[in-house]
Amino acid sequence: DSGVTQTPKHLITATGQRVTLRCSPRSGDLSVYWYQQSLDQGLQFLIQYYNGEERAKGNILERFSAQQFPDLHSELNLSSLELGDSALYFCASSGESERRLNGYTFGSGTRLTVV
Amino acid sequence: AQKITQTQPGMFVQEKEAVTLDCTYDTSDQSYGLFWYKQPSSGEMIFLIYQGSYDEQNATEGRYSLNFQKARKSANLVISASQLGDSAMYFCAMREPDPYYGQNFVFGPGTRLSVLP
Repeated sequence: DSGVTQTPKHLITATGQRVTLRCSPRSGDLSVYWYQQSLDQGLQFLIQYYNGEERAKGNILERFSAQQFPDLHSELNLSSLELGDSALYFCASSGESERRLNGYTFGSGTRLTVV
Repeated sequence: AQKITQTQPGMFVQEKEAVTLDCTYDTSDQSYGLFWYKQPSSGEMIFLIYQGSYDEQNATEGRYSLNFQKARKSANLVISASQLGDSAMYFCAMREPDPYYGQNFVFGPGTRLSVLP
């Protein structure tokens, strides 16, 4: 167990629908990152939050949004889903120090299948 | 421009032998961190090893070592005494300061390692 918890592990939904992916960071970590990994795109950075505030934005579609709550858990909302959104979505968290044991720890991912 | 380059899409190695996975990076910052992650077929991302840009010695973690050549901007992962369980996708990643966002974290495209019995 990495300490980063993602739910659900698997999600199957239809095109046009909206889903919410949840992430609880490792205890003490203030930063949460979201990544999308699809077969043909590799690991793509979506967005980062730090202590409730958006810190960095990557290749995140306008149909996607995220937030980090006061208890530091984060949610990634995906709407108007398309077949191409099928992917493995990772959450990662990190502490302030690069030298923390795992530096940048990933959750086990949510596998989203859009049918 | 690619920040992290992994030129080997796939690699094969015989069990018990050593293998080197290549990684080159591009940054203009003096302070940065380099990471290697392993992703087995089950999908989870497993942290393997970290090298700071100011570290003078190469990082080692058990059978993993990082061959850090700062002037060449390379951070190759060396796996000694390969095991069948080492078969996985390996990602090189870099964290560098970002003047606006505080930090930037990028991944390479990955190398698929297959260990042969």
